[in-house]
Amino acid sequence: NAGVTQTPKFQVLKTGQSMTLQCAQDMNHNSMYWYRQDPGMGLRLIYYSASEGTTDKGEVPNGYNVSRLNKREFSLRLESAAPSQTSVYFCASRDRGGSYEQYFGPGTRLTVT
Amino acid sequence: QKEVEQNSGPLSVPEGAIASLNCTYSDRGSQSFFWYRQYSGKSPELIMFIYSNGDKEDGRFTAQLNKASQYVSLLIRDSQPSDSATYLCAVYLMDTGRRALTFGSGTRLQVQP
Repeated sequence: NAGVTQTPKFQVLKTGQSMTLQCAQDMNHNSMYWYRQDPGMGLRLIYYSASEGTTDKGEVPNGYNVSRLNKREFSLRLESAAPSQTSVYFCASRDRGGSYEQYFGPGTRLTVT
Repeated sequence: QKEVEQNSGPLSVPEGAIASLNCTYSDRGSQSFFWYRQYSGKSPELIMFIYSNGDKEDGRFTAQLNKASQYVSLLIRDSQPSDSATYLCAVYLMDTGRRALTFGSGTRLQVQP
């Protein structure tokens, strides 16, 4: 049981390049989330998917797109990377019932030059 | 006003002392409150959650909730150097319509040996 996995762990992009961050969970959770974390800013929600087939915007969605490929996988795409998107990106998941606890992946450290 | 506010710290306490971490939130209707610990370069991990007014104890950790004052705190007794980390308060805010946790910016705790 790996929990929440993310790839890649590190990435350097040039301004204008595109990339997709991958996230998968093996806990059979319904809800999945993408956050970014910047120094002094805490975790800010980019997009989330409450269940397979649905996605919703969070606090900071501009410049990102997401795909809930199936129940296990939730990807985050940067179509045209900007230096302001330099950050650490965390994926998380949660089961629908019971606690609202979210389980986090190890993170992707992205630098845009 | 931020939706979830924490003092960024650092909060410095000597080994063996009680560390007190505080958090306020904006939505009076919020029901679920979480404390996550995050070591440098790592992902957040859940320490405590609390839903009801009052205290909830788990080992050296006590979460305190006062919904009337919109205030939640975390006490760490017998603080150890291994407790040195950033502590994130997270709240399931009902008024945002987002079905996701909203995080404070975190308080950095330093436990001095």
